[in-house]
Amino acid sequence: GAVVSQHPSWVICKSGTSVKIECRSLDFQATTMFWYRQFPKQSLMLMATSNEGSKATYEQGVEKDKFLINHASLTLSTLTVTSAHPEDSSFYICSANRAGGALVSTDTQYFGPGTRLTVL
Amino acid sequence: AQSVSQHNHHVILSEAASLELGCNYSYGGTVNLFWYVQYPGQHLQLLLKYFSGDPLVKGIKGFEAEFIKSKFSFNLRKPSVQWSDTAEYFCAVNEGYQKVTFGIGTKLQVIP
Repeated sequence: GAVVSQHPSWVICKSGTSVKIECRSLDFQATTMFWYRQFPKQSLMLMATSNEGSKATYEQGVEKDKFLINHASLTLSTLTVTSAHPEDSSFYICSANRAGGALVSTDTQYFGPGTRLTVL
Repeated sequence: AQSVSQHNHHVILSEAASLELGCNYSYGGTVNLFWYVQYPGQHLQLLLKYFSGDPLVKGIKGFEAEFIKSKFSFNLRKPSVQWSDTAEYFCAVNEGYQKVTFGIGTKLQVIP
C-alpha cells in the first residue's frame, strides 16, 4: 500500500506555456501533500505544503503565483507551473501523508516517482 | 533554519564491505529522523525512521541507524553490502510539523 503516482513522468514545453503536474495517492487518502524540486546534484527542496481544501503554504522564495497548487480532494494535488521558463526546468517530486492518526506530525511521507520538466 | 548534512557524497564499496553513511542535523529540539533510498530509475522509498524509543533503529534490507542525540547524528549502517544496495541515500529530519528537510544525498556504488 501507500502508492503515490505522478503524471506526466516527463514533459517538454516551450517557454511561456503553462504545465500541470498531477500527484495522486492511489490507495490511501492524503490530507497533506508536499511538492519538492530537485536540481542536479542537489537535495530535494520543499516548495510548498498542500492541504486538502485549503490554500497551500509556500516556502520562502517560492513564487505562489508562478507555482499554483490545488489540492481539491484527498487523493489529488496538482502543481501548475505558469509561464514556464528554462530556469524552471527541474525534477518535481510530490509526496503524501496518510490521512488520520493522532500523531499527524509523525506520519511517513510516501513519494511519487517525480516529473522531469524541460522548458525550451 | 534546520539543516541536514551528509558527509559522504559518493561512496564506492566492494560487495560484503561494511557501510556507514554519516548524517548530522542542526535542530536542537525534538526531531523525527528518516533515511530514504532511491534505487536507479525508481522513486524515493522509506528505509527506516526514528520517532522515539530505542535509538538503534532497524529498517528494511538489513539496514540500521543509530540516533545519537548528543552528537545530533543519525548514521546509517549495514554490515555487509550487496550489489543491489547501489542507490542514492537521503537523510531527512522533521521537527514535528510535517515539513521535512533533506540532506544532499549520498550515492552508493557497490562493486560486485
